[in-house]
Amino acid sequence: EIVLTQSPATLSLSPGERATLSCRASQSISSSLAWYQQKPGQAPRLLIYDASNRATGIPARFSGSGSGTDFTLTISSLEPEDFAVYYCQQRSNWLEITFGPGTKVDIK
Amino acid sequence: QVQLVQSGAEVKKPGSSVKVSCRASGGTFSRNPISWVRQAPGQGLEWMGEIIPIFVTPNYAQKFQDRVTITTDESTSTAYMEVSSLRSEDTAVYYCARAVYGSGSFPYYFDYWGQGTLVTVSS
Repeated sequence: EIVLTQSPATLSLSPGERATLSCRASQSISSSLAWYQQKPGQAPRLLIYDASNRATGIPARFSGSGSGTDFTLTISSLEPEDFAVYYCQQRSNWLEITFGPGTKVDIK
Repeated sequence: QVQLVQSGAEVKKPGSSVKVSCRASGGTFSRNPISWVRQAPGQGLEWMGEIIPIFVTPNYAQKFQDRVTITTDESTSTAYMEVSSLRSEDTAVYYCARAVYGSGSFPYYFDYWGQGTLVTVSS
């Protein structure tokens, strides 16, 4: 099973600051990685797929990068609505889809 | 615009079963896998399994193979997920989500999600 590790667990920042979130896979997953944002009481929302492609309607301040085992989600300038939990996710075969444990971005 | 609408909250006794539905509208139901993902209170996301309606045969995460059954009814564009032998640890919000293909070999990322169904297991 491919394990996804996210760091840090919590990121405390102020609005306007840059957020850099990391996701590391235990084996190479090429670029088949997605990022989601989840706010309390809501379903996850797709932000990024194929490591670097923004989903429809996602603001340009969100960007993704990486391939192989190391991936990064960057929020260039935090807006008040960006404080949430962020998950990475991958699929390496038909029998396994895994999520990372999440990074919580909270207000400093 | 694709919409996935799930059935309402459930309260169940330990040892019983629960069946959650997910009705799709606005898209092509048959060809995209519908997955089920659960989230225990205060915890992360856990993939349970999926079904591609046109193929009928489900895939299950190993952890859920013995207690989870995923089915579809193409006539109503509805997917179902049943969990048997419920225990307190199954208390969670259960989501359905549509998977789509990216650049790789498998449909893997979820572009549309249901609103979630809270299942509470309590005696």
